[in-house]
Amino acid sequence: GAGVSQSPSNKVTEKGKDVELRCDPISGHTALYWYRQSLGQGLEFLIYFQGNSAPDKSGLPSDRFSAERTGGSVSTLTIQRTQQEDSAVYLCASSFPGTSRETQYFGPGTRLLVL
Amino acid sequence: GNSVTQMEGPVTLSEEAFLTINCTYTATGYPSLFWYVQYPGEGLQLLLKATKADDKGSNKGFEATYRKETTSFHLEKGSVQVSDSAVYFCALSAAAGGGNKLTFGTGTQLKVEL
Repeated sequence: GAGVSQSPSNKVTEKGKDVELRCDPISGHTALYWYRQSLGQGLEFLIYFQGNSAPDKSGLPSDRFSAERTGGSVSTLTIQRTQQEDSAVYLCASSFPGTSRETQYFGPGTRLLVL
Repeated sequence: GNSVTQMEGPVTLSEEAFLTINCTYTATGYPSLFWYVQYPGEGLQLLLKATKADDKGSNKGFEATYRKETTSFHLEKGSVQVSDSAVYFCALSAAAGGGNKLTFGTGTQLKVEL
């Protein structure tokens, strides 16, 4: 597609359940980022993938959060045993490194509500 | 660590008024600076950017100049329109240790009225 796509667009789950959020980056973009946008914390970096390098997980808030990127393209963010404070919009962005301070292009986000 | 501070909103202006949204930053090294915009019901879009001191980013009538001496990147527009109503985020990236992860300000909501 022309842009970054994310699915689902909305997800409602019960506390304690696991959820998976998907991101399809722009074709050819080797860098992929996950961010979280919540009322209390604003926009926060979660995790970064670049090619086959080990991901930068420094922004993950707890060990309930994990992410993988298969084949250098699609990424899945998994939240285990969801808590109400996980409710937020989860944003994915991709970019093509190597240019001067490359621009990140954002997807529309997945709005997660934990009841 | 890196941080971005931007003015709190909401900012309410009449159409054709002059807009300034202040943004200051703290960073190690030489960050790139960005303004992103989020229109109602839409995702984040890059509005403009500047990658080094004294650079001016501009787009859609908006401008911002990278001021290293004041660590600022204030957003300006000479004449706002109702269609500019959105939330504006100032951000920086400082590629230390790999990656260009963005550090965002808290966002400033702009409302433009007729």
